[in-house]
Amino acid sequence: DAKTTQPTSMDCAEGRAANLPCNHSTISGNEYVYWYRQIHSQGPQYIIHGLKNNETNEMASLIITEDRKSSTLILPHATLRDTAVYYCIVRTQGGSEKLVFGKGMKLTVNP
Amino acid sequence: ETGVTQTPRHLVMGMTNKKSLKCEQHLGHNAMYWYKQSAKKPLELMFVYNFKEQTENNSVPSRFSPECPNSSHLFLHLHTLQPEDSALYLCASSHLPEGGTTGNTIYFGEGSWLTVV
Repeated sequence: DAKTTQPTSMDCAEGRAANLPCNHSTISGNEYVYWYRQIHSQGPQYIIHGLKNNETNEMASLIITEDRKSSTLILPHATLRDTAVYYCIVRTQGGSEKLVFGKGMKLTVNP
Repeated sequence: ETGVTQTPRHLVMGMTNKKSLKCEQHLGHNAMYWYKQSAKKPLELMFVYNFKEQTENNSVPSRFSPECPNSSHLFLHLHTLQPEDSALYLCASSHLPEGGTTGNTIYFGEGSWLTVV
């Protein structure tokens, strides 16, 4: 079962920052938070991951709370191409490398 | 372009046909996966291969038969499928250090859309 909870959907205006929340209150100390997105009819695309510290790459920033029970994915300047289903996933460590996907959150970027 | 290539992108097959889905990764990874995504359902893990050995079969019916001849290639052989098997089949890969069970980021292909008629 997925170990994260996300809103079902969110809208964002083009050019604005999109802040996507995720709760993972049962996360273990050695588990990472991963974010993927899936644009319609395509395979999931890796965005970013983190353990404790905030992370930033060319796609997004990941802010993890100090207690690690929640995180926020930030798309600094959302474009129409960022419209997708976003998945926040806690990575199971040890024994298997599998990702367990939940329902994700549909982000719609509006003109 | 993720470095994971799946063919064909679209496949229509009858219930008595035998077909195969192919996945090739150009990332030097040694772990490969098959996922299934049915309409309006989350992605479901089907199989995991680490160093060419199957390490997980998530209670997948035997009409789906995976094959991993080497670390770069993964096949899903399909036989006597049902219409409810119509779905997007996704291949993925990652790097698993030798002797370890934790690895790095998993990268997905674009998927193969399968329709069973």
